[in-house]
Amino acid sequence: DAMVIQNPRYQVTQFGKPVTLSCSQTLNHNVMYWYQQKSSQAPKLLFHYYDKDFNNEADTPDNFQSRRPNTSFCFLDIRSPGLGDAAMYLCATSSQRDLQSDTQYFGPGTRLTVL
Amino acid sequence: AQKVTQAQTEISVVEKEDVTLDCVYETRDTTYYLFWYKQPPSGELVFLIRRNSFDEQNEISGRYSWNFQKSTSSFNFTITASQVVDSAVYFCALSVEGSGYSTLTFGKGTMLLVSP
Repeated sequence: DAMVIQNPRYQVTQFGKPVTLSCSQTLNHNVMYWYQQKSSQAPKLLFHYYDKDFNNEADTPDNFQSRRPNTSFCFLDIRSPGLGDAAMYLCATSSQRDLQSDTQYFGPGTRLTVL
Repeated sequence: AQKVTQAQTEISVVEKEDVTLDCVYETRDTTYYLFWYKQPPSGELVFLIRRNSFDEQNEISGRYSWNFQKSTSSFNFTITASQVVDSAVYFCALSVEGSGYSTLTFGKGTMLLVSP
């Protein structure tokens, strides 16, 4: 049974056209993360939510925003996608922010293409 | 700052060969956690193992084994009798306790290709 679900799996958008990626989880975890992974690179954390508390990484561009309307759902909004934003976007969850006794569980990712 | 180095970019083996994926980490923290994830072509990162810094016991899970050595800051991963289904990118990651939360620092990954 899928625990972290991402929709769509593939998304094509045009340069400058806003796009929203969706993540949902059935784990009832407190923390949800968004990562960007470009080709042949490691995942890079963009931001995370601890419950409703939003935490942005220092180097995440303003072009990227996120919403978490409830425990189960989290959205990644890219306001004006550029060609450099083409990547795999991974959503992850964990029960706590401290990974002392936990790990992050990842969804299958959404591959974004920008034309 | 934390850093994870996976020096092997790509490894190719023939089925049934044993293969070891190297991981070297850097941190000034005395308490930290190490992880290995598998990323098959489908894209999902699959959790394999988590190890605490105070637990240097090696671990074996089926054909997988992990060798954690604090003296060399290494956390290497060995697949015994590799299979085609093992073909994937493998990431080593490090987490330290920060200001109320911890994040994962990933290495660049090692692509493993197992051919029949």
